[in-house]
Amino acid sequence: AQSVAQPEDQVNVAEGNPLTVKCTYSVSGNPYLFWYVQYPNRGLQFLLKYITGDNLVKGSYGFEAEFNKSQTSFHLKKPSALVSDSALYFCAVRGGLSGGSYIPTFGRGTSLIVHP
Amino acid sequence: SQTIHQWPATLVQPVGSPLSLECTVEGTSNPNLYWYRQAAGRGLQLLFYSVGIGQISSEVPQNLSASRPQDRQFILSSKKLLLSDSGFYLCAWRMGLAYEQYFGPGTRLTVT
Repeated sequence: AQSVAQPEDQVNVAEGNPLTVKCTYSVSGNPYLFWYVQYPNRGLQFLLKYITGDNLVKGSYGFEAEFNKSQTSFHLKKPSALVSDSALYFCAVRGGLSGGSYIPTFGRGTSLIVHP
Repeated sequence: SQTIHQWPATLVQPVGSPLSLECTVEGTSNPNLYWYRQAAGRGLQLLFYSVGIGQISSEVPQNLSASRPQDRQFILSSKKLLLSDSGFYLCAWRMGLAYEQYFGPGTRLTVT
C-alpha cells in the first residue's frame, strides 16, 4: 500500500524568509509525486510533479521541490515566502508503471501561514 | 483549454433528503474522473472514480453513489442524506497519459 506523511500540521514563516513544507512517502516501485495548493473554499491547484529525471523540480508561483529517493522525501520549498502563499498544501503519491496504485494517495495537508 | 465545473457551489439540505451534485469537464475527451470529500478543511477522502462511461469504482461503501452518463459528466447522488455527509465535495479529472489531477471549485454541502 502506498502512503504519504506530512509531519507538520502547520508551518509558520515570516515574509521574505525561505519556506519548506515536508513530505515523506511510501510506494512500491518508482514514485510519481505531486504538490497541490488549496486556498480557502477553493479546489486544489496543481503546483508541480516529479516523474523522473532531475531531482529538483520547479513549479508554479516560484515553488520547487526536491526528490530524495534515499530518504523517501519530496519537500516543497520556496526561497522567499509571500503573504499570499498562505494556504493549505497537499503532497500526493501514486505508483508508476513499475508498481503501486494508479490512484493517488494524498497527505493530510499542511497549513502554511506567512506573517507580514 | 480544459475547464471543470461543479454545481451547485453551496447546498444546505435536511437529513433524509436526496442529493445530486454534478461535475462536467470541457475541452477534453475520455478523462478519468474522481469524486473526493474533504471534511474539516483537511484530508481528502476518495469516494468514487471512473475511467469511462458507465464505469464506476467505489472506494468507500456508504449511502452515496456515482454515475457517469456521458463522457465528461460525473454525478454524485444520495437517496437519503446523513448528518455525516456534510463536507466539501471536490470533483477532479485526469487525462490518461498525463499524471496530475485538476480539481473543480467544489461544492460545500451542509446537512442539517
